[in-house]
Parts: sequence; C-alpha cells; structure tokens
Amino acid sequence: DIQLTQSPSFLSASVGDRVTFTCRASQGISSYLAWYQQKPGKAPNLLIYTASTLQSGVPSRFSGSGSGTEFTLTISSLQPEDFATYYCQQLNSYPRTFGQGTKVEI
Amino acid sequence: EVQLLESGGGLVQPGGSLRLSCAASGFTFSSYAMNWVRQAPGKGLEWISSISGNGGTINYADSVKGRFTISRDNSKNTVYLQMNSVRVDDTAIYYCAKAESTVTTRTGLDSWGQGTLATVSS
Repeated sequence: DIQLTQSPSFLSASVGDRVTFTCRASQGISSYLAWYQQKPGKAPNLLIYTASTLQSGVPSRFSGSGSGTEFTLTISSLQPEDFATYYCQQLNSYPRTFGQGTKVEI
Repeated sequence: EVQLLESGGGLVQPGGSLRLSCAASGFTFSSYAMNWVRQAPGKGLEWISSISGNGGTINYADSVKGRFTISRDNSKNTVYLQMNSVRVDDTAIYYCAKAESTVTTRTGLDSWGQGTLATVSS
C-alpha cells in the first residue's frame, strides 16, 4: 500500500499569512493526488485534484503542485474560514489512502 | 444539487452486523463510482471501499476485506455497505462519497454525505 505523510501535523498561522504544507508519498503516484478540507463536525470538501486542478467553486487562493512523490498545498492569504484540517489522498492505486492530516490553527 | 444521505448507523455488539445505506439524488447515479470513507472519533480519514458505476469493479481496504461488502442498486440510486464481524475499532462515522468524474476514478471525491455513526461496543 502507498503511505502518505503530511507535514507539519499542526500549523499555527494568522489571517493573511501564506501557508504551505506538504504531502509525501512512499512511492510515485504521478499526479494522482487530491486535497480536501475538513471543518469540525462536517464532511470533507474537495479542493484540488490531479495535484493542481482547482475544484469548481474553490477560491483561487488555494493552489496545489507536485508530482511523483512530493506535493504541496498553498493558501496564498489565509482567511478566517480556512482554519480547518487538510488531508491529501492518493488516487494512483488501491487502496486509496489518505494522509494523516494537517490542522491549521489560529 | 447533488445530495447523499447515509443511514443505518447505530450501536452494535462486537461480532455483529450492520448495513449502511446511502441514498443519492441530483446526478446520474449509475454513471459514477461510489466510495465509503470512515473516520474514527478524533482521527483522520480512512478510505475503505469503492464500487464502479455498473457495480462490476469493487475494491476494499485490507482492514475490512472479507468482513465488509459494498453493493449498489442503480434502480434505487442507493449504495450499501454490509458490515459483518464488526470490531470495536470499526467504530467511526461512515461517509459515502461520489467520484468527481464519470470517466476516471482518479480525480477525487467531490460530494460527500453528512455521515452516519456506527458504534461497536458491548
């Protein structure tokens, strides 16, 4: 199975900050990576797929990059509604594993 | 508007069974693969199973293989998860989620239900 390791696990930031977090795969997954945002008590929300394609309706301050084994999610200017937990998921092979998450806190 | 509504969660004893359902609306159900993803209390997301639009391709996580069975009824726009021989560590919120694309399953899960809680305890 492919393992995904997200870093950092926790990130403290302020409104307006540019934040970047990383997802590393234990083996190459081409560009088959998605990013999700989850707020407490809510279902996850798809932000980005195929590493860099912004899902419809997602603000342009979110961007993704990478291929192979290393991927990043960047929020260009953190907004109050962005404080949440972010997960990556690989879609290269089964099982479709998730990373352990990065929690963005104020 | 896409809607996914899970049901069937509840309290079950270890070794028992539970059947979860996910009723879908707002899209051509038979064209999309469907997935089940779970989240144990205070923990991260765990993908557990998927089924193709016509039901012909099914995959499972090792943690549930041989115990859980995914199925779908396209005439009822519903996907199911039959959970047998449940264990305490199966306690989680179970979400159903729709594939983003009809063409490939590699573009993520773009719509999720609100989840249903399954609690395994004696």
